[in-house]
Amino acid sequence: QVQLVQSGAEAKMPGASVRLSCKASGYTFTTYGIHWVRQAPGQRLEWMGWINTGSGATKYSQIFQGRVTITRDTSASTAYMDLSSLRSEDTAVYYCARDSPMFDPWGQGALVTVSS
Amino acid sequence: SYVLTQPPSVSVAPGKTARITCGGDNIGTKSTHWYQQKPGQAPVLVIYYDGDRPSGIPARFSGSSSGNTATLTISRVEAGDEADYYCQVWDRSSNHAVFGGGTQLTVL
Repeated sequence: QVQLVQSGAEAKMPGASVRLSCKASGYTFTTYGIHWVRQAPGQRLEWMGWINTGSGATKYSQIFQGRVTITRDTSASTAYMDLSSLRSEDTAVYYCARDSPMFDPWGQGALVTVSS
Repeated sequence: SYVLTQPPSVSVAPGKTARITCGGDNIGTKSTHWYQQKPGQAPVLVIYYDGDRPSGIPARFSGSSSGNTATLTISRVEAGDEADYYCQVWDRSSNHAVFGGGTQLTVL
C-alpha cells in the first residue's frame, strides 16, 4: 500500500539546523510531488513547501523562505526537508504528505523540539 | 494572502448531523479538501474536490461548496468521529496551500 515513513524525533539547540526524511513506498516515487506541513502544539496545520519529485522543482511558503530547503533522492524514493536557524517557535510536529494533488497519504509525523 | 475561516468547535449528539463550515473569498471557485485529525495522529483525507470521498471513508461523510462557504457534513455522527477537521485549498495567486484553523468536533 502507499506509505510515507518519516525519520524520528529530533531535539535541537536554537540556531541549529534539522534534516527530516520521508521515504515513500507502494508507488512510483517520481509520479507524485511531496509536501511538507508542520503543526505547532495546539495550532493549525501550516504548509511549508513542495517538491516535484520528478524534476526537483520546489515551491516554498514565504513564511519559511530562506530557511527551508526541500530535496529528494529518487534512487532512495526519499524526500528531505532542511530547516535552518531554528528557534523555539519551530518546535512542532513536521509531516510529509503526497501531492495527490490533495494531501494523501500523510507520513506519521516527526517531532522537532528546539530548546536550550 | 488567502484566508480560510472555520468555527473553533462544533458539538453534536450521537446519531445527529454535524456541519462544519469553511469560509473563504469565492471558495466555491476552488477545490476544497477536508482532513480529519485525531489526537496524536496524522491527518487523514476524508473529502476531496469539494465532495468526493476516498475509498474507506464512510458514506456518512459528504461535502459541498458554493459562494464563500464550503461545508463538511457528517451524518449519523458516532463517537469515533470526534476529531479536529481542517479544510484546505490551493491558492493559485500565491502558489501556496492554505489550511483553515481547524474545527474540534465534540460528540456529546
